[in-house]
Amino acid sequence: SAVISQKPSRDICQRGTSLTIQCQVDSQVTMMFWYRQQPGQSLTLIATANQGSEATYESGFVIDKFPISRPNLTFSTLTVSNMSPEDSSIYLCSVAWGQGVGNTIYFGEGSWLTVV
Amino acid sequence: AQTVTQSQPEMSVQEAETVTLSCTYDTSESDYYLFWYKQPPSRQMILVIRQEAYKQQNATENRFSVNFQKAAKSFSLKISDSQLGDAAMYFCAYQRGETSGSRLTFGEGTQLTVNP
Repeated sequence: SAVISQKPSRDICQRGTSLTIQCQVDSQVTMMFWYRQQPGQSLTLIATANQGSEATYESGFVIDKFPISRPNLTFSTLTVSNMSPEDSSIYLCSVAWGQGVGNTIYFGEGSWLTVV
Repeated sequence: AQTVTQSQPEMSVQEAETVTLSCTYDTSESDYYLFWYKQPPSRQMILVIRQEAYKQQNATENRFSVNFQKAAKSFSLKISDSQLGDAAMYFCAYQRGETSGSRLTFGEGTQLTVNP
């Protein structure tokens, strides 16, 4: 499986500011995803990070609020912009690992953001 | 759209005993993959087990096994010889069978407590 590193692991942010989360994978992967997990809830997909093109966002998530970059096959960033307390969540980077159909999805350690 | 349902918000088990966590899903597709993930207090999502829908044989990984009933769209996780380290939130997840890997749809989670 791939080794996925996320930074920061935890942060406390001021309302109205923006924070960028980094995700580094130790191998080249085709698919990278960003998920959000709000307190006490399950995971929700924010977007698929596409290498060399704009990310594909899920319903309810927009590029202005969650800009994503994917400059190469091993790295991606997620920015949470103009944060409010409702953005307090764990943000998880994940990758699809394997060849062909049914790639297994592995996750980074997550970035736990608290907005005050 | 696919949905995943975990009807047990909380479960508890005595150490060394066996516990079964339930999961049902709804899909019109015939090709898909199912997963169980474990999320301990560290919040990292850890893959427990994976099942291909085209395989009739139930997946096993050491003390973890599944009961996959495709016709009933049921995918339960059995943990044998429960250990204190098994205490965590467990998520069931569905993945469409696509050629390049795809996103996961998660259930709401089951919080497992292991009593000494």
